[in-house]
Amino acid sequence: GAGVSQTPSNKVTEKGKYVELRCDPISGHTALYWYRQSLGQGPEFLIYFQGTGAADDSGLPNDRFFAVRPEGSVSTLKIQRTERGDSAVYLCASSLRAGGGEYNEQFFGPGTRLTVL
Amino acid sequence: QQQVKQSPQSLIVQKGGISIINCAYENTAFDYFPWYQQFPGKGPALLIAIRPDVSEKKEGRFTISFNKSAKQFSLHIMDSQPGDSATYFCAARVYNNNDMRFGAGTRLTVKP
Repeated sequence: GAGVSQTPSNKVTEKGKYVELRCDPISGHTALYWYRQSLGQGPEFLIYFQGTGAADDSGLPNDRFFAVRPEGSVSTLKIQRTERGDSAVYLCASSLRAGGGEYNEQFFGPGTRLTVL
Repeated sequence: QQQVKQSPQSLIVQKGGISIINCAYENTAFDYFPWYQQFPGKGPALLIAIRPDVSEKKEGRFTISFNKSAKQFSLHIMDSQPGDSATYFCAARVYNNNDMRFGAGTRLTVKP
């Protein structure tokens, strides 16, 4: 009965460095979502996957952000040349399937707190 | 990007009181309105949700009131308890779509 897990829980890096954030969805969930939550704000949609493919990446702020899900399960969010403004909590969620409706209830992980110095 | 406006930003209620959080949306295509509860260090968890074919939905001490013409919806927590102290987010999306928009959150503190 494991939920969505994310690693690391905290990541501190220096401006300009490359970081990878990992998400393990709930077993059997085909849809996976990444959100960014800045301090005092609600989650902001970044990208979602249906299976291995990125079905909607319209929320990615720029080309420094990239996400993969090569085997349709674990996903990695990659941020190149990090900037101080990238500091936030990055949340991952999964749902049984995409496409909306009652099967789209999203279960969130605890997030990775990224701090860029 | 925030298409859902939430108020108040913070709320303090005495134990046993009623907590009321309000949200307003702009996109008339939205037809699914969930509320999430988030404790520190945890991800948001779905609390209750409503679709616009009803004006009210109640689950235990939690009630959503929905006003389609005003494009507003609210969360009422009856008999508020200290364990309800958390940040609450309203959200909205098109039911058959995956792009969910969240409000900025309300930090609720229930004093014993």
